[in-house]
Amino acid sequence: AQKVTQAQTEISVVEKEDVTLDCVYETRDTTYYLFWYKQPPSGELVFLIRRNSFDEQNEISGRYSWNFQKSTSSFNFTITASQVVDSAVYFCALSEGVTGGGNKLTFGTGTQLKVEL
Amino acid sequence: NAGVTQTPKFQVLKTGQSMTLQCAQDMNHEYMSWYRQDPGMGLRLIHYSVGAGITDQGEVPNGYNVSRSTTEDFPLRLLSAAPSQTSVYFCASRKGLAGETTTDTQYFGPGTRLTVL
Repeated sequence: AQKVTQAQTEISVVEKEDVTLDCVYETRDTTYYLFWYKQPPSGELVFLIRRNSFDEQNEISGRYSWNFQKSTSSFNFTITASQVVDSAVYFCALSEGVTGGGNKLTFGTGTQLKVEL
Repeated sequence: NAGVTQTPKFQVLKTGQSMTLQCAQDMNHEYMSWYRQDPGMGLRLIHYSVGAGITDQGEVPNGYNVSRSTTEDFPLRLLSAAPSQTSVYFCASRKGLAGETTTDTQYFGPGTRLTVL
């Protein structure tokens, strides 16, 4: 069975600090997909990134970057120069199999990020 | 496109009452899913559908029924509400395999907050 662990329940930082959100996953499949979603206080789920198991290249999108390491089964998310608008709950999720969009997602329990002035 | 829409946004039920949470998408997506979000537990899959007329159970299906008579709609029915079903419910959709792209992923509706007294 697949499992996603986000050990950090809550993180508080001061604006402009860098912060890394950890995600560790378990799966027996060789083909799988990893995701990050953001849930701001308004409650909707915002898709941030999808990465398949065959692509270990790190990705950068503006202030966001993701580090995928199969050797440690981790898919960590770093926000550089955090801003108050980054305050949200962040979920890591896993989908097994060849359906890349993730029909059956297993979510972690989420990390509440609070960015203060 | 309106994307994924859910109604109602809020609902209060008494134990034993029944109701249907509505979900609709106008993107011609094949896959649709229902998740529930509970504090400290992330999102968990209730039921999903890979196309009209086809549904299957997810991780926590007990107490819920679904049907998929059209591509657009995927209602979730609570036959006899219980306090344990107090949660936030999210509907999601994605394209089928024929529409798979490197950016394809699940799109979530805004959620329905349900309280069962």
